[in-house]
Amino acid sequence: NAGVMQNPRHLVRRRGQEARLRCSPMKGHSHVYWYRQLPEEGLKFMVYLQKENIIDESGMPKERFSAEFPKEGPSILRIQQVVRGDSAAYFCASSSGVAGSYNEQFFGPGTRLTVL
Amino acid sequence: GIQVEQSPPDLILQEGANSTLRCNFSDSVNNLQWFHQNPWGQLINLFYIPSGTKQNGRLSATTVATERYSLLYISSSQTTDSGVYFCAVPGPGRRALTFGSGTRLQVQP
Repeated sequence: NAGVMQNPRHLVRRRGQEARLRCSPMKGHSHVYWYRQLPEEGLKFMVYLQKENIIDESGMPKERFSAEFPKEGPSILRIQQVVRGDSAAYFCASSSGVAGSYNEQFFGPGTRLTVL
Repeated sequence: GIQVEQSPPDLILQEGANSTLRCNFSDSVNNLQWFHQNPWGQLINLFYIPSGTKQNGRLSATTVATERYSLLYISSSQTTDSGVYFCAVPGPGRRALTFGSGTRLQVQP
């Protein structure tokens, strides 16, 4: 019973390059969440998606960041023109989607992005 | 948005000691999760506890939703318990979790 999978686990980019982070939710889960953890800080919510829909992007920076969860394949968090301040651990979580109720979120191992 | 405060921020224990970690939140919540982030950075689900008390081995948790707090108890601590403990709650009408700043626990042999 595979958990939430993320890849790559570590990603190094130079300033100005693009970063693509992938997340495959747990089997049977249709809800995906992305969180960012800056060094020595707690996790901050970025975006919540269901298949082909962005439900809540209130935590997403307005520029350079985008997310998708296509009908087929993993969810992608894309960061364009990375800057040093983007260096962080990016965690993906998934939950089942029982309508009208909150469902426990399970986290992947994270992608550690380093911008040189 | 909802505020989540955890205490203490740092805790050093000798192996075998017991501890209580606290999580206060500023608004009514329907659910609450406790996590352990180990020294390798992985987030491990400990409890999903909207109210009441749950136990799992040496760990237990109690949430009193009407008073807006939750407690995590660690008994007979081991060095493998070291890491950061986070509580997290969804905001009103939302699914996104708001995390506290964590309690950093160090268990010494």
